[in-house]
Amino acid sequence: QVQLVESGGGVVQSGTSLRLSCEGSGYRFSGYGMHWVRQSPGKGLEWVAVIWYDGSKTYYGDSVKGRFTISRDDSMNKLYLQMNSLRVDDTAMYYCARDRGVRAVDLDYWGQGTLVTVST
Amino acid sequence: AVMTQSPVSLPVTLGQPASISCRSSQSLLYSDGITYLNWFQQRPGQSPRRLIYEVSKRDSGVPDRFIGTGSGTDFTLKISRVEAEDVGIYYCMQGLHWPPITFGQGTRLEIK
Repeated sequence: QVQLVESGGGVVQSGTSLRLSCEGSGYRFSGYGMHWVRQSPGKGLEWVAVIWYDGSKTYYGDSVKGRFTISRDDSMNKLYLQMNSLRVDDTAMYYCARDRGVRAVDLDYWGQGTLVTVST
Repeated sequence: AVMTQSPVSLPVTLGQPASISCRSSQSLLYSDGITYLNWFQQRPGQSPRRLIYEVSKRDSGVPDRFIGTGSGTDFTLKISRVEAEDVGIYYCMQGLHWPPITFGQGTRLEIK
């Protein structure tokens, strides 16, 4: 069965960096685009970033552009999110999600999330 | 595309129907004839789970009391008879006009 497991969250100070990981299993990881989606405490879902199945393209939400970098290592079945210059408003649960879509994004499986807390 | 859901909060009596509306600022009908609108359920303390894709197709394991309808820019998620396990927040999502991918603000379903 498809499983996505995030890790790397924690409590950090504003202005510092953190790298999140997401390990996929139960499917051919290299065949799917992958996304990060976050959810601030008590708030809704906000799309963060996407990486193409072959790593050839990446896109970011406006609030993280220039600070976050999405990448993947298909040999390890892993997705990453490098987060630099963290701000208090980056505090959120971060989910990775698989994209099975061809013509449109279709997030069919999600991980359980990893919590990032940014303090002043 | 901006996704607008209503209501924000939905108290429902067990066994009664429930309905959630989602409106997109742009048509979600693609030139292939498919309309790309998804619904997600987020139970308390859990990650989101896809319930419905392409407006009306239920994911495996999703009870048939969940029914997705709509076209173009207006969509509805209906629950024919609410059960206790349906408590949570429901989100619509569009992945056609992106970036960014956009979600509705969520509808919190609770038992009255």
